[in-house]
Amino acid sequence: SQKIEQNSEALNIQEGKTATLTCNYTNYSPAYLQWYRQDPGRGPVFLLLIRENEKEKRKERLKVTFDTTLKQSLFHITASQPADSATYLCALAPDDYKLSFGAGTTVTVRA
Amino acid sequence: DAGVIQSPRHEVTEMGQEVTLRCKPISGHNSLFWYRQTMMRGLELLIYFNNNVPIDDSGMPEDRFSAKMPNASFSTLKIQPSEPRDSAVYFCASRPGEAEKLFFGSGTQLSVL
Repeated sequence: SQKIEQNSEALNIQEGKTATLTCNYTNYSPAYLQWYRQDPGRGPVFLLLIRENEKEKRKERLKVTFDTTLKQSLFHITASQPADSATYLCALAPDDYKLSFGAGTTVTVRA
Repeated sequence: DAGVIQSPRHEVTEMGQEVTLRCKPISGHNSLFWYRQTMMRGLELLIYFNNNVPIDDSGMPEDRFSAKMPNASFSTLKIQPSEPRDSAVYFCASRPGEAEKLFFGSGTQLSVL
């Protein structure tokens, strides 16, 4: 069956450090992968999309890698800030529309 | 742009009652999704519309759930009769085209007592 697995535990880091989140998937051949941020009581907000032919994508302090051989994406938050504290979700689709989400990793950045 | 608008924000009802959740997608977006989020199961896709037509409803848990999209600017998700296990946050999302990012509403927190 298809599975999307993210870091199983919450991630607590010190301000200024780099947070690295993992998204592993099985039985998918996605054309792209997306990352979202979700704050308590709010809907997910899109952060980045990386396509299968792209190895790395950056946006400000965020960096995403996509390894289709390992079936893994890594999401990095560099120079983390307390405002980065949230739950981060990876999402991918076996086809063009049925976007499925991982369970998410909750990141807490300590000042 | 006001974004995706969902109503109500919170709904508390008793088991057996009918519940209707509403969604207004972003103007110009041709795809609309309904998701349900719980701690146990995370975000689950319930149904997907493209150009107002239901394309895939395989995620709808049972016949008690139904969804409609009578026009490009409005969709409803109905649960009849509701059960306590339906308690969850229901999200509506829209997007302008395929392989594009989703824009989520703020969700409806449903509690069935």
